[in-house]
Amino acid sequence: DVKVTQSSRYLVKRTGEKVFLECVQDMDHENMFWYRQDPGLGLRLIYFSYDVKMKEKGDIPEGYSVSREKKERFSLILESASTNQTSMYLCASSSVGAGTGELFFGEGSRLTVL
Amino acid sequence: AQSVSQHNHHVILSEAASLELGCNYSYGGTVNLFWYVQYPGQHLQLLLKYFSGDPLVKGIKGFEAEFIKSKFSFNLRKPSVQWSDTAEYFCAVSTRGNKLTFGGGTRVLVKP
Repeated sequence: DVKVTQSSRYLVKRTGEKVFLECVQDMDHENMFWYRQDPGLGLRLIYFSYDVKMKEKGDIPEGYSVSREKKERFSLILESASTNQTSMYLCASSSVGAGTGELFFGEGSRLTVL
Repeated sequence: AQSVSQHNHHVILSEAASLELGCNYSYGGTVNLFWYVQYPGQHLQLLLKYFSGDPLVKGIKGFEAEFIKSKFSFNLRKPSVQWSDTAEYFCAVSTRGNKLTFGGGTRVLVKP
């Protein structure tokens, strides 16, 4: 069974702290994504990666960075957390292929910034 | 850039009622279309997808969706809902590769 695992389900951090969200997939997928999910706004793409050490900005990259040192692992970094980054963060992966488009999601990391 | 609109934020209905959720997108070229579902406490999962061919696609759990190109729409339907269909439903569009743009979601509550 395919699996995308996010390291933390719930986190509480203080404003200004550095936050790491880790994601690991076991499907040998090339593509990995970070979304944030907010009520009424759906899912918004923060960053994605098509290959190791490669990254591209999504629709809302400000305040975030990412790291992909290994194929199976994609990390989201908040250099200095702010209260408006309180959200549910979803990691997803997919295989290469134009138009396949099926994303496999992790269970999410709910971050609260105080 | 493409955008996706879901008309209803919340839908409440009784078991056995029919369900239709609207989805419209803004992009003039070739698109791939998806509906994802998130059951309470679970991760998002694919409900159905359309790439080409028959515009009426069938997915899991009795759901279907119809692609109407002239209306830029991809509405989701189920003839008779069950309490277990209570979930949040997301429409999504891809115009290249695997980068998906999602709508705002529709929360569906089915009363037993």
